[in-house]
Amino acid sequence: QQQVKQSPQSLIVQKGGISIINCAYENTAFDYFPWYQQFPGKGPALLIAIRPDVSEKKEGRFTISFNKSAKQFSLHIMDSQPGDSATYFCAASKGNYQLIWGAGTKLIIKP
Amino acid sequence: GAGVSQTPSNKVTEKGKYVELRCDPISGHTALYWYRQSLGQGPEFLIYFQGTGAADDSGLPNDRFFAVRPEGSVSTLKIQRTERGDSAVYLCASSLSQSSGRTGELFFGEGSRLTVL
Repeated sequence: QQQVKQSPQSLIVQKGGISIINCAYENTAFDYFPWYQQFPGKGPALLIAIRPDVSEKKEGRFTISFNKSAKQFSLHIMDSQPGDSATYFCAASKGNYQLIWGAGTKLIIKP
Repeated sequence: GAGVSQTPSNKVTEKGKYVELRCDPISGHTALYWYRQSLGQGPEFLIYFQGTGAADDSGLPNDRFFAVRPEGSVSTLKIQRTERGDSAVYLCASSLSQSSGRTGELFFGEGSRLTVL
């Protein structure tokens, strides 16, 4: 009930392409779904987040799509750049602080 | 500095020793969190402070782990009788608290990498 399942584990995308990472959750009480970006040796940094009252949120090249009935959400990175190469984590929580994290996706953007 | 500061950045210790990890949150952030991240995994919640008190310590794995935040700012995570399985990166984060009861965006430090030999 508390798990967040993330796929794929790793992803290689050509520069300029679209990177898509998927997550699925089980607990219908979750109401906050952030995506974090983590570079090697650094802490995670919030990229974009969504609440279940909307189906999509876009910030620059980053878009979250949210499907409440399927209990799934995804991150789309448009026009992927080499600087986007990092590990991406989805997470979920009910209201506040106790984020439940996915296992991460290592994204490599090939020049 | 402007961000969350964690010290030491790296700590190597022997099995059975005592370890302290320090976190200095962003000034003005009343909420502070400790997470643990094992290699190839997402962070795992340990404990959450609101001000000086531990609002939720349900993620602490056992009684060898303890954390304090005596003045509502700097926090110390203490691990007694360390075991090899404690090896991980310990992440600290802080955030503003919101009147709704929700917490705001979490800002993470770079972590303290603990290696228990």
